This record gives sequence, structure tokens and C-alpha cells, in this order.
Amino acid sequence: QSALTQPASVSGSPGQSITISCTGTSSDVGFYNYVSWYQQHPGKVPKLMIYEVSNRPSGVSNRFSGSKSGNTASLTISGLQAEDEADYYCSSYTSSNSRVFGGGTKLTVL
Amino acid sequence: QVQLVQSGAEVKKPGASVKVSCKASGYRFTGNYIYWVRQAPGQGLEWMAWINPNNGGPNYAQKFQGRVTVTRDTSISTAYMELSRLRSDDTAVYFCARGNSGTYKADFDVWGQGTMVTVSS
Repeated sequence: QSALTQPASVSGSPGQSITISCTGTSSDVGFYNYVSWYQQHPGKVPKLMIYEVSNRPSGVSNRFSGSKSGNTASLTISGLQAEDEADYYCSSYTSSNSRVFGGGTKLTVL
Repeated sequence: QVQLVQSGAEVKKPGASVKVSCKASGYRFTGNYIYWVRQAPGQGLEWMAWINPNNGGPNYAQKFQGRVTVTRDTSISTAYMELSRLRSDDTAVYFCARGNSGTYKADFDVWGQGTMVTVSS
């Protein structure tokens, strides 16, 4: 199972919005709604930010939103803040009865 | 509160095995799958396996088939991941994580603190 494709890096200024894409195939992202996004600060544990494509866990800011179109899922962060600077990973359930992660995207807040 | 507490760091020689534990608290252990994910230094996340704590049924990533074994002890709400025939490229932080629903397709809502495994001669 190949990893999902994410951009290596994205950047934005405080207050702006950014979107991180996550491209898979019709055997994972395109077929299942079990797509999630995780935020990881350096040296820290990953944190669930979005589950089942577009749902936010309790306690996660509504500045974070998720969507999906075809084989590509997206994470949008609006009103960018310095604390949002981190690595972001997408993940999907697959038709091989497995899980797959994206390669990760480093978000820089300028 | 819901938490997963993992065992401490390990240093192993190539060819050896390592067993990492993950003790759950704050919820019904048998109600949610436990997943194992690893992260090599400076690299991304990699899914390895999951286990159904209710019946012990495992599922392994193809890459680790034959080298990884996941088990659980419901009496102490603890899951285990054993990786054998260790190589230097198995050096990584190993995480356990809880599924956020009762299905194996769940997303990972609670993570252990991670266990650093270093493989070096």
C-alpha cells in the first residue's frame, strides 16, 4: 500500500487560510470516509484534528476543517496562528484492510 | 481521563526482539481497537498493526507480516507489540493509539506517549 501524497511544505501568514491536500486512490481516500488528519509538534505525540473526513473532535478549534473530493482529501486552517506551526499527516482506511498515512506536510507560519 | 501509557525506551542489538506495552485507563478496554504506529527519526508516521482487544484478533501491515505480533491482556487492560529480527532501520518511536469507535476502520483519538526503540550493535 503506497503512502498518500501530501505536499512537503506549506506556509502562510497569521490570519490567512491555508489548505493541505492529501491524494490517494479509489481504494482508500476515494472510497472510504475514514480519512483523518493529525497535528504533530516537534517531539510531541500526534493529535487527532479531523476524523471521518470532516468531523472535529471535542476541543479542536473550528478554524480546522476537512473535506474530500474524489481521491483527494483536504485540511483547511483558517485564521492561521503561530501555534498552528507543526507537521500535519492525513490517514485513510484502505480496501486492503489496512491503514495508510501521508508523508506529512510541514506548516510554517511566516 | 482516557490515557494510554507505554513502556520505557529500549536499546536492542540487530536480530533481537522487542516487546512494547501499552496500558489503557479511563475507558472500557475491550470497546475500542488499539493500533500501533511507528515514526523513524525525522520521518513520517507508519501504520504497523491493530488488535481487537475484545477477541484478540490482529491485523498486520504487509510490510511487517511475520515480524510483528500484537497481543493483549484484558485483565490488566494492556496491549503489546512485539517486533522480531530487529534491524537498524527499525530504530523509531513506537506509538499505540486508540480507535475512536468500535470499528477497525476507526481513526486514532488517543495516543500513548511513544516508546523509543534503538537498534544498534
